[in-house]
Amino acid sequence: GDSVTQMEGPVTLSEEAFLTINCTYTATGYPSLFWYVQYPGEGLQLLLKATKADDKGSNKGFEATYRKETTSFHLEKGSVQVSDSAVYFCALSERNQGGKLIFGQGTELSVKP
Amino acid sequence: SAVISQKPSRDICQRGTSLTIQCQVDSQVTMMFWYRQQPGQSLTLIATANQGSEATYESGFVIDKFPISRPNLTFSTLTVSNMSPEDSSIYLCSARGQGAGGAGNTIYFGEGSWLTVV
Repeated sequence: GDSVTQMEGPVTLSEEAFLTINCTYTATGYPSLFWYVQYPGEGLQLLLKATKADDKGSNKGFEATYRKETTSFHLEKGSVQVSDSAVYFCALSERNQGGKLIFGQGTELSVKP
Repeated sequence: SAVISQKPSRDICQRGTSLTIQCQVDSQVTMMFWYRQQPGQSLTLIATANQGSEATYESGFVIDKFPISRPNLTFSTLTVSNMSPEDSSIYLCSARGQGAGGAGNTIYFGEGSWLTVV
């Protein structure tokens, strides 16, 4: 079945460092890909998405490119801030599944001043 | 876009009792879902809430434990029945936007209902 694998956390960075969180997926079809973020004590927020190969999703300085050839959707940010500390979830949704999401295990990011 | 409101946002429940969580969307959506997030874990899909008919449950989840209703396009409830401490989780309502293109590909989440069973 479909699955999503993220790099293990926690990831600890200093402010203004470069961030990469790896995400790879296995899918039988042609899924849409998502990154969600969960700040401490809060619910889940959509960070960015991509619906087809080579699409780049971007928001709040974060970017991820849908790479069909490597089945990846790595999250990047050039300069992290303390306020980016959160748990990040990579997820996929198959087109014929009506919006059901399969999530990775989540990667906790901690940014130190 | 769609805004999803859940009630209650938090609750402390006694073992053996049941609690119903409500999910209201401010615009029409196509699909609605319920997820569970156990402490420190990722999200797991419980079921798809179908309008006017029985929900479709994922493996490991059953209707007797998690009855779900969806009487119309914008409202759904999830009941957690006969609760035990293992049911302490965040329960999240999710909905898929309506329409073609970007709106139809966007999946929204409520802020979650944080349940602690004692």
